[in-house]
Parts: sequence; structure tokens; C-alpha cells
Amino acid sequence: AQSVTQLDSQVPVFEEAPVELRCNYSSSVSVYLFWYVQYPNQGLQLLLKYLSGSTLVKGINGFEAEFNKSQTSFHLRKPSVHISDTAEYFCAVLSLGGYNKLIFGAGTRLAVHP
Amino acid sequence: SQTIHQWPATLVQPVGSPLSLECTVEGTSNPNLYWYRQAAGRGLQLLFYSVGIGQISSEVPQNLSASRPQDRQFILSSKKLLLSDSGFYLCAWGVGDNSPLHFGNGTRLTVT
Repeated sequence: AQSVTQLDSQVPVFEEAPVELRCNYSSSVSVYLFWYVQYPNQGLQLLLKYLSGSTLVKGINGFEAEFNKSQTSFHLRKPSVHISDTAEYFCAVLSLGGYNKLIFGAGTRLAVHP
Repeated sequence: SQTIHQWPATLVQPVGSPLSLECTVEGTSNPNLYWYRQAAGRGLQLLFYSVGIGQISSEVPQNLSASRPQDRQFILSSKKLLLSDSGFYLCAWGVGDNSPLHFGNGTRLTVT
């Protein structure tokens, strides 16, 4: 069975500092991975996706993630965060059961302080 | 372009009352449709998905049901709400293989 583990439930960081949000997945076959962002009381917005090809994936709002097959990780990074990046971030893996079902991690709340 | 609408945005219902949440998608045909629930401090749990009109698959046994009366309409229902049904409900759609899902703005349900 597949699963996603987000190692940090909360990450506080100062504005303009770099940040890394960690995500590890479990799967016995090829995976397709996603990062979503959720602002308060809103739905989820796709940040970036890894389907194949280059292991470094660039997304919106200056975020990027690196797929590491040997470490089964897909960590999200941003070199310099803004106050507006304060939100909850979810890592997800596409279920092998088909029908584009996504399996989500528990989420990481990023809090950017001035 | 494709859009997804969910309503209502917030809802407060007493225990034992019925529930109906609606989701519609515009700008695409024959999408896969999904209902997720997000409980406080937890991730997203897939409740139901549908690959076509009248076709509903349930992921977890619970007090809720789903229906798809039209191609781009997905409804989440309950005959009698429980306190544990409180949460943030998100509708999503997707097409094709290995493609991301697109989410609505959610409904925050509080059962009192």
C-alpha cells in the first residue's frame, strides 16, 4: 500500500529565510507526486508535480521540489519565503488503484514571521 | 477554462439533521469527481469518487453517501448527521491518467 509522511506538522520561519518542507512516500512501484498549498478556509491549489523526467521540479510562487528515488523523498523548497507563503502544504502520491485518486500526507503548516 | 463550484461555503447543522452539499464543474466533459474530508489538524481523506454518471465508489464506511445525477454534478448527502461529521469538505475533479486533481473552495460543516 502507498502512503505519504510529512515529517513536520509545523514549520516556523522568518521572512526571506530559506525553507524546506519534508515529504517521504512509500510505494513499491513508480510514483507520481504532487505538492498542494491551502490558504485559510480555501481549497487546495497545485504547486507542482512530478510525473517523470528531471528530478528537480519547479512550481508556482518560486517553489521547487526534488524527487529522490533512493531516499523515497519529495521535499519542497523555497530559497526566500514571504509572509504571503504562510499556509498549509500537502504532499500527495497518486494511488495505484487508478482513477487519479490522491493519497495525502497530514500536511505541514508553514508560518512565516516578519 | 474549467471551473469548479462548491456550496455552501459554511454550514452549521444540528445532530440528526440531513445534509446536502453540491459540487459542479464547468468547462470539461466526463470528469472524474471526488469528495474529500479534512478534519481539524489532519490530512485529507478520500470519501467517494465517481468516474461517470450514477457510478459511485466509497472509500470508507460512514454516515455519508454520494450521488452523481449529471455528468458534472456531484452531491454529498447524509440522512442524519453525527457530531463526527464536522469538518472541511472538498470537491475535486480530474481527467486523464496521472494528472493532478483540481479542488473547489470547500464547505466547512459544523455539526452541533
